[in-house]
Amino acid sequence: DAGVIQSPRHEVTEMGQEVTLRCKPISGHDYLFWYRQTMMRGLELLIYFNNNVPIDDSGMPEDRFSAKMPNASFSTLKIQPSEPRDSAVYFCASNRQGVSYEQYFGPGTRLTVT
Amino acid sequence: GQQVMQIPQYQHVQEGEDFTTYCNSSTTLSNIQWYKQRPGGHPVFLIQLVKSGEVKKQKRLTFQFGEAKKNSSLHITATQTTDVGTYFCAGIPNSGYALNFGKGTSLLVTP
Repeated sequence: DAGVIQSPRHEVTEMGQEVTLRCKPISGHDYLFWYRQTMMRGLELLIYFNNNVPIDDSGMPEDRFSAKMPNASFSTLKIQPSEPRDSAVYFCASNRQGVSYEQYFGPGTRLTVT
Repeated sequence: GQQVMQIPQYQHVQEGEDFTTYCNSSTTLSNIQWYKQRPGGHPVFLIQLVKSGEVKKQKRLTFQFGEAKKNSSLHITATQTTDVGTYFCAGIPNSGYALNFGKGTSLLVTP
């Protein structure tokens, strides 16, 4: 199993640009989570999906952030327009209900907005 | 909302010394998990505790879940340089599915 796959691994962009982060969960997992990690705020849950349906997006910072999961094997997190304070590492994680609450994290995308 | 507090924020020990990190929740948890994140890496699951008063061991690591299911601890005996990283606790409330992570304890071990 390849594990959770995220792309790109690093992204540097200028303020105001659109940024799209991508995630492929582990096959067979029905939950997908997006997290943001910064030194100041730690690991924050942004949104999570169950069977491709968004369940809780209360962690999404503001309207500039949006997430989609068009099918069981792909999700995107989009920031438009990006701002310097969005600089962070964004993790995607997945798990399968009924097996364990254990979450499998991807390698993360390090986003820098200048 | 539910808050998970973790202390200390940082810990620097000499190799061979013991290490403990503590986690407290403002509400009762259905279960608590522990993750380890190496520098530059991603969180990796260590263990899950479900029962009140539960104690689990993994080699030199001992995990405890409090009787009230609101606190937990991770104790490492005789630390090694391979233990370096940030240890996170993450709780799931009685109603809900998402993990609420503490801010982690960063452990530095010097030989």
